[in-house]
Amino acid sequence: NAGVTQTPKFQVLKTGQSMTLQCAQDMNHNSMYWYRQDPGMGLRLIYYSASEGTTDKGEVPNGYNVSRLNKREFSLRLESAAPSQTSVYFCASKEFYGYTFGSGTRLTVV
Amino acid sequence: GENVEQHPSTLSVQEGDSAVIKCTYSDSASNYFPWYKQELGKRPQLIIDIRSNVGEKKDQRIAVTLNKTAKHFSLHITETQPEDSAVYFCAASTGSARQLTFGSGTQLTVLP
Repeated sequence: NAGVTQTPKFQVLKTGQSMTLQCAQDMNHNSMYWYRQDPGMGLRLIYYSASEGTTDKGEVPNGYNVSRLNKREFSLRLESAAPSQTSVYFCASKEFYGYTFGSGTRLTVV
Repeated sequence: GENVEQHPSTLSVQEGDSAVIKCTYSDSASNYFPWYKQELGKRPQLIIDIRSNVGEKKDQRIAVTLNKTAKHFSLHITETQPEDSAVYFCAASTGSARQLTFGSGTQLTVLP
């Protein structure tokens, strides 16, 4: 039982490059979330998916897009990376209340 | 939207002492308040949570209290140990997907 799996764990991008962060959960959870974590700012919600087939913007959606591919998978795409998107990205899922987080992706944009 | 404020941002205590971290929230519709512990380089882990129909909840050395009227909740850790050193985040849940809004975190250091 892997829980929430994120890939890759580390990534360095050049400004303007694109990439997709992958997230998959094996707990049959309906809701999935993408957060970014920056020093001193806690975790901020980028996008979420309350159920398969739906996605909604969170607090900081600019520069990102998401796809809920199926119930298991929720991907985050950066179309044109900027240095301000340097951060640690966490995917999470839940059924009723408590989140289960993935191990995170540390992204550096140079 | 919801806004969660957390204090203090850093907290140092002697081993064996108690630690208290406080959070306030803005949305009176919030109904679920978890606390997460994050060790360096690791993912946040749920340590305790409370729902709006309960005023206090305890789990061994950890307790959380909730005051819905004042819109604040607190984490209490008793008999602190060096392994309690970590960043602690409070959060409040609201909205259609019960998405969590997090506080900015408290770096707790337990001094031996």
